[in-house]
Amino acid sequence: NAGVMQNPRHLVRRRGQEARLRCSPMKGHSHVYWYRQLPEEGLKFMVYLQKENIIDESGMPKERFSAEFPKEGPSILRIQQVVRGDSAAYFCASSPTESYGYTFGSGTRLTVV
Amino acid sequence: KQEVTQIPAALSVPEGENLVLNCSFTDSAIYNLQWFRQDPGKGLTSLLLIQSSQREQTSGRLNASLDKSSGRSTLYIAASQPGDSATYLCAVVRSNDYKLSFGAGTTVTVRA
Repeated sequence: NAGVMQNPRHLVRRRGQEARLRCSPMKGHSHVYWYRQLPEEGLKFMVYLQKENIIDESGMPKERFSAEFPKEGPSILRIQQVVRGDSAAYFCASSPTESYGYTFGSGTRLTVV
Repeated sequence: KQEVTQIPAALSVPEGENLVLNCSFTDSAIYNLQWFRQDPGKGLTSLLLIQSSQREQTSGRLNASLDKSSGRSTLYIAASQPGDSATYLCAVVRSNDYKLSFGAGTTVTVRA
């Protein structure tokens, strides 16, 4: 069981470029959550997805951010036209059922230069 | 809104000493509480998960208690080792919800 796989581990983007972060949940887990950890701040919920459905995106900025979890393949968090303030660690978690037993990935550290 | 507070923010102890990490939350209507460990530049490792109906959970040298009515959880680490040095995060899920609300963490340093 490979756990929750996130890639890339580190991502550097220039201001205005797009960032794509990928997350493959644990085998058997159909619930995926994205969290963001800003420097010197705690982890904050961004979005909750199930296969082909966005359940709750209340924690995601209204502009430039989007997420998907297609029928086949990993979940993708997409940030368009990145700005310096987007620099953070983005963590994905999965669970077998809603609300229970989250497993986190190693995160993607995004640096915007 | 659920607020989660962890005290102290940082802790430095000599090897062998027992560690006591505190977590408090404002809304006692929780579904479960989870303790995580985070090493610098790394992801989160789940340590213990306590359901709202439970009072404590144990795993090896780790023991976590939960007092839902007072909105508190305590993580005890017995006989600390340098390898225990990390940031420990407390997170709660409210009833009828799924979002984890995290505390800011306690950064632990165990001196050899």
